[in-house]
Amino acid sequence: NAGVTQTPKFRVLKTGQSMTLLCAQDMNHEYMYWYRQDPGMGLRLIHYSVGEGTTAKGEVPDGYNVSRLKKQNFLLGLESAAPSQTSVYFCASRKDRTNSPLHFGNGTRLTVT
Amino acid sequence: RKEVEQDPGPFNVPEGATVAFNCTYSNSASQSFFWYRQDCRKEPKLLMSVYSSGNEDGRFTAQLNRASQYISLLIRDSKLSDSATYLCVVIIYNFNKFYFGSGTKLNVKP
Repeated sequence: NAGVTQTPKFRVLKTGQSMTLLCAQDMNHEYMYWYRQDPGMGLRLIHYSVGEGTTAKGEVPDGYNVSRLKKQNFLLGLESAAPSQTSVYFCASRKDRTNSPLHFGNGTRLTVT
Repeated sequence: RKEVEQDPGPFNVPEGATVAFNCTYSNSASQSFFWYRQDCRKEPKLLMSVYSSGNEDGRFTAQLNRASQYISLLIRDSKLSDSATYLCVVIIYNFNKFYFGSGTKLNVKP
């Protein structure tokens, strides 16, 4: 099992450019999450999904959109990148709404210049 | 007040030492608890769940104190490879909310 896979691993964007981060999980998990991690800020939830076709906002959703068209994939989009979106992005999945833990992907390091 | 608080450290200990971290949480409805380990520039990885009766996994022991609203992680016989940041995670799953501590940094020295 690959677990949670994120692509790409690194990316440099210019201000105003757009991109999509892909998260794929092969564990048949219902719940998927996108977090960003900045120095001194800890992990902050951007958006999440509780099942195929559903998405919801987290604590820092502005400037991002998401889609969950297939259960195994959760896409994070930046329509017009800003330097404030320079961060490390982690995708995570979780089996269901019980005490199951989060499983994280290995992260995408994004720099916006 | 933050939902989950951890001492950021760093905790600098020699190899072979025993070290303990605490994590306090503010919401008494918190129902699931985990410790994660995060190495520099890497993703958080699940270290262990924390059960009400306490649990052990090799050199690692986790405890939950609901009365005082904290969880703890004890590491015995520290290894150089234990150097990392340890995150506590609290879930209030009635509301499907996760709360992450900001992490405690551990440095194990030769």
